[in-house]
Amino acid sequence: GEDVEQSLFLSVREGDSSVINCTYTDSSSTYLYWYKQEPGAGLQLLTYIFSNMDMKQDQRLTVLLNKKDKHLSLRIADTQTGDSAIYFCAPSRGATNKLIFGTGTLLAVQP
Amino acid sequence: EAQVTQNPRYLITVTGKKLTVTCSQNMNHEYMSWYRQDPGLGLRQIYYSMNVEVTDKGDVPEGYKVSRKEKRNFPLILESPSPNQTSLYFCASSTRGGQGFGYTFGSGTRLTVV
Repeated sequence: GEDVEQSLFLSVREGDSSVINCTYTDSSSTYLYWYKQEPGAGLQLLTYIFSNMDMKQDQRLTVLLNKKDKHLSLRIADTQTGDSAIYFCAPSRGATNKLIFGTGTLLAVQP
Repeated sequence: EAQVTQNPRYLITVTGKKLTVTCSQNMNHEYMSWYRQDPGLGLRQIYYSMNVEVTDKGDVPEGYKVSRKEKRNFPLILESPSPNQTSLYFCASSTRGGQGFGYTFGSGTRLTVV
């Protein structure tokens, strides 16, 4: 079956860069998403990358995709306390764009 | 404002008492889906719908029912809730083929079954 793995916790200092990593098993994923979940809230789409791309940059966010190793990462530059949240990696699958979620990485930003 | 609206936000119920969690979207999306979120397990898909009157099971459908009589609404029905259905539930919607846009999620319904 499909599997998506993320580390559970990451702590950084305000102003530093954060890198959240994800590995997945389904090589047929066409789109790979990053979602953010703040406490008590739903999931907010942060960014995504198409499977034929290696990198995508969107303001402070950089997504890197190594399709050969099935590894996805999200880099947040100049991390702020407002970035503290759970981040989910979610490759999509099939015609229905079903999302396969990892367990999420809790990012804690220390002032 | 484009959104997915779930109700209620919080619900405490007793074992066996039928309940419905409503979900409505105002974006004319074809695809809708229900997920449950449990600690250490991430989000798992319960049911999904590709359009009106078209629904199918996700990864964890046991104990749940859905219906899609109208495009905007996708209620989740628990006919006889049990404590192992205590969870945080999310409804989500997406355009048909909108892979680049992902799913828009509701704010969640926290269900406790005692």
